[in-house]
Amino acid sequence: LAKTTQPISMDSYEGQEVNITCSHNNIATNDYITWYQQFPSQGPRFIIQGYKTKVTNEVASLFIPADRKSSTLSLPRVSLSDTAVYYCLVGVQAGNMLTFGGGTRLMVKP
Amino acid sequence: EPEVTQTPSHQVTQMGQEVILRCVPISNHLYFYWYRQILGQKVEFLVSFYNNEISEKSEIFDDQFSVERPDGSNFTLKIRSTKLEDSAMYFCASSVRPNSNQPQHFGDGTRLSIL
Repeated sequence: LAKTTQPISMDSYEGQEVNITCSHNNIATNDYITWYQQFPSQGPRFIIQGYKTKVTNEVASLFIPADRKSSTLSLPRVSLSDTAVYYCLVGVQAGNMLTFGGGTRLMVKP
Repeated sequence: EPEVTQTPSHQVTQMGQEVILRCVPISNHLYFYWYRQILGQKVEFLVSFYNNEISEKSEIFDDQFSVERPDGSNFTLKIRSTKLEDSAMYFCASSVRPNSNQPQHFGDGTRLSIL
């Protein structure tokens, strides 16, 4: 399973664009990159998933370079309600097991 | 948008008692999971379930734990004799198929407090 590394925490201000980068040097050929968001006392919520290049949905964009050894989650114009922990996950283990790391704690300030 | 629902939202139980946590996965999903998160710690995998049997389980999922799909909609986690260290948030999740490209969708969890 590809090990992921992402910042422990980030601060931003309302209205700014936030980019969270995740490193996954040993990503396997079949692995997809998935980002989840978690608010306190709630379950992880699927945000976006990609395999290569760029994926965009109504919430975020995901940028994946050609070598796929990293990925960047981009949140446009964040608001206070985007304060959460963001997890980068790569691939799955046996039984479709997800392995969560510590994630990136994003604090959005007014 | 369809979602995974879990009941109860909060369960308080005496140590040694049995507890059953309930989940209704998204209706067309075939793969089901339980995870837990102890306060301040990472989300940890417990078990995955497909085609009415366990696909994979972690070291946490010992003989005190069991899962069941008693009917076509519910998916339950039973802890037979609870311990203080079982206090955690328990999350149910489901996915369409068991592949890396099929995201898992999580419920909002049951907070289990063991006294």
